[in-house]
Amino acid sequence: QKEVEQDPGPLSVPEGAIVSLNCTYSNSAFQYFMWYRQYSRKGPELLMYTYSSGNKEDGRFTAQVDKSSKYISLFIRDSQPSDSATYLCAMSAGGGNKLTFGTGTQLKVEL
Amino acid sequence: AAGVIQSPRHLIKEKRETATLKCYPIPRHDTVYWYQQGPGQDPQFLISFYEKMQSDKGSIPDRFSAQQFSDYHSELNMSSLELGDSALYFCASSLGTGGEQFFGPGTRLTVL
Repeated sequence: QKEVEQDPGPLSVPEGAIVSLNCTYSNSAFQYFMWYRQYSRKGPELLMYTYSSGNKEDGRFTAQVDKSSKYISLFIRDSQPSDSATYLCAMSAGGGNKLTFGTGTQLKVEL
Repeated sequence: AAGVIQSPRHLIKEKRETATLKCYPIPRHDTVYWYQQGPGQDPQFLISFYEKMQSDKGSIPDRFSAQQFSDYHSELNMSSLELGDSALYFCASSLGTGGEQFFGPGTRLTVL
């Protein structure tokens, strides 16, 4: 069983919809939680970076971390076709430690 | 803003050949990480360096080695290449040991 589980999708939504992406994890040592967006054949782009439990908002993106449930989420409001990409959750035990990724969720936002 | 630079962007090699991948971190970043991403898979951590010293090691084959130089750029050396080494290789950099990791565009290695 992988340390980080993520529904691979694909997830297809209409433009303007609210998208919810989720990951669960088993390693209680994870303290730092990230969401990356990856377009096909490109490098992962950091979207959100959070420490421990709580919420963080940045524009149309909101990240939530629930350490008690070992569950993290990324919400995208007013989704746009340009949001179509693969979204990877990632986490680490320390600030400078290696990242452990989820398998990624493929999102398609349709006109 | 300056990003992580990787070279070459594409590389084609034959089995049993060697390859060298280069990574130039974001200016002032002193920590470099290498990841391997196979087709349809998530990135897997290989190795990292902080201030020119190896800081962590993941699932890196013994055929691979890496180092970080005085200007903080890093090189991943891969020998006796196998078909299974075909993948995207990403370098990421961060400032110190407490920062976010920013990824480069990757090097696509194809082993024939």
